[in-house]
Amino acid sequence: NAGVTQTPKFQVLKTGQSMTLQCAQDMNHNSMYWYRQDPGMGLRLIYYSASEGTTDKGEVPNGYNVSRLNKREFSLRLESAAPSQTSVYFCASKQQSNQPQHFGDGTRLSIL
Amino acid sequence: QKEVEQDPGPLSVPEGAIVSLNCTYSNSAFQYFMWYRQYSRKGPELLMYTYSSGNKEDGRFTAQVDKSSKYISLFIRDSQPSDSATYLCAMSYVNQAGTALIFGKGTTLSVSS
Repeated sequence: NAGVTQTPKFQVLKTGQSMTLQCAQDMNHNSMYWYRQDPGMGLRLIYYSASEGTTDKGEVPNGYNVSRLNKREFSLRLESAAPSQTSVYFCASKQQSNQPQHFGDGTRLSIL
Repeated sequence: QKEVEQDPGPLSVPEGAIVSLNCTYSNSAFQYFMWYRQYSRKGPELLMYTYSSGNKEDGRFTAQVDKSSKYISLFIRDSQPSDSATYLCAMSYVNQAGTALIFGKGTTLSVSS
């Protein structure tokens, strides 16, 4: 019963490097989300995909891009990593608009 | 004024205590209310989900929603060391533009044996 799976779990990058964070869900959910969580800031929405084929910006989209590859997979890309993007990144999914979101266990990303 | 306010704690209690965690909100459009539990180095885990005023009970956990006061609570009875975690409240509404989901910043709870 995997739920939402995120890879990798940990990563260290140098400033300017690029990276793609992967997320896959096996619950046949329509909507998927990317958040970042920072101390004292809580969870902040980066991008979301309400359904396969659509993506929209959230609260903090600058410096990120996303791809909804298919119904199961939603990736987050950092084209040129900056130290300010050091954070824990969470992917979430849900079935429909009035249902709660279910989260993966996160990717811990450090940018030096 | 932020949309959702949650005291960050930390809150420390002895095993067996009753714990009360609270959030206030300002937007009367919120319809759905959730509590998530987050253990260290893990993702948020859904604990309680409700869409109406009143109480919802699940084992040792009770979620309470008071829409007139814009106030939600999570009560934990007979608290255990395994309840030590960060608790996030979240609330959402649905409109023509889609769904807005707002999280509190979380309250850190420590239960000592």
